[in-house]
Amino acid sequence: EVQLLESGGGLVQPGGSLRLSCTTSGFSFGSHAMNWVRQAPGKGLEWVSSIEGSGGRPSYADSVTGRFTISRDNSKNTLFLQINSLRVEDTALYFCARERGGHFYTELDSWGQGTLVTVSS
Amino acid sequence: EIVMTQSPGTLSVSPGETVTLSCRASQSVSTNLAWLQQKPGQAPRLLIFGASTRAAGIPARFSGSGSWTDFTLTISNLQSEDFAVYYCQQYDKWPPYTFGQGTKLEIK
Repeated sequence: EVQLLESGGGLVQPGGSLRLSCTTSGFSFGSHAMNWVRQAPGKGLEWVSSIEGSGGRPSYADSVTGRFTISRDNSKNTLFLQINSLRVEDTALYFCARERGGHFYTELDSWGQGTLVTVSS
Repeated sequence: EIVMTQSPGTLSVSPGETVTLSCRASQSVSTNLAWLQQKPGQAPRLLIFGASTRAAGIPARFSGSGSWTDFTLTISNLQSEDFAVYYCQQYDKWPPYTFGQGTKLEIK
């Protein structure tokens, strides 16, 4: 069974940092591109970042470029998102989502339950 | 960036009815379109990919159609567990992947 479990969220002041993790099991992690998608309270889904199965071609939404860094450790089946210079508008539930293919341009076929990031003073 | 527009925003229907949800892309996405379902407090779940292919374990009452810029999700014989928010998402042009704003299906 495919499982994705996010962790690392919490309450942080504006300007602060967090490192989110997505621990996976039940599939060949390195064979799949991975994504972070966020959802602000009461709002819709917003793509944040992607990375290829090999760890190549990290990409980011304009709203987070320069502040967020996606990475992965294929030996530990884990995806990361380092988030720096947090803003109030970054408050959201952050989901990790598996892409069907190892590269991009395929559907997001499995999702974790999310980890909540709250940015407030 | 491709903008995905869903309509209507909210749909009130009764169990047993058939509903059609719409999604329009601001430019062609071929058939690289997915539909996701999200229930309160839960993660999104993939229903349809490739505009019309049901994901594993998805009941046959869910069907998708369309291509290029116009897509529909039809749910037949609505069950109580189908009341949720539905999102369309394009994966044809990246970055970024983009989602519609969602259609909320509520019980009439």
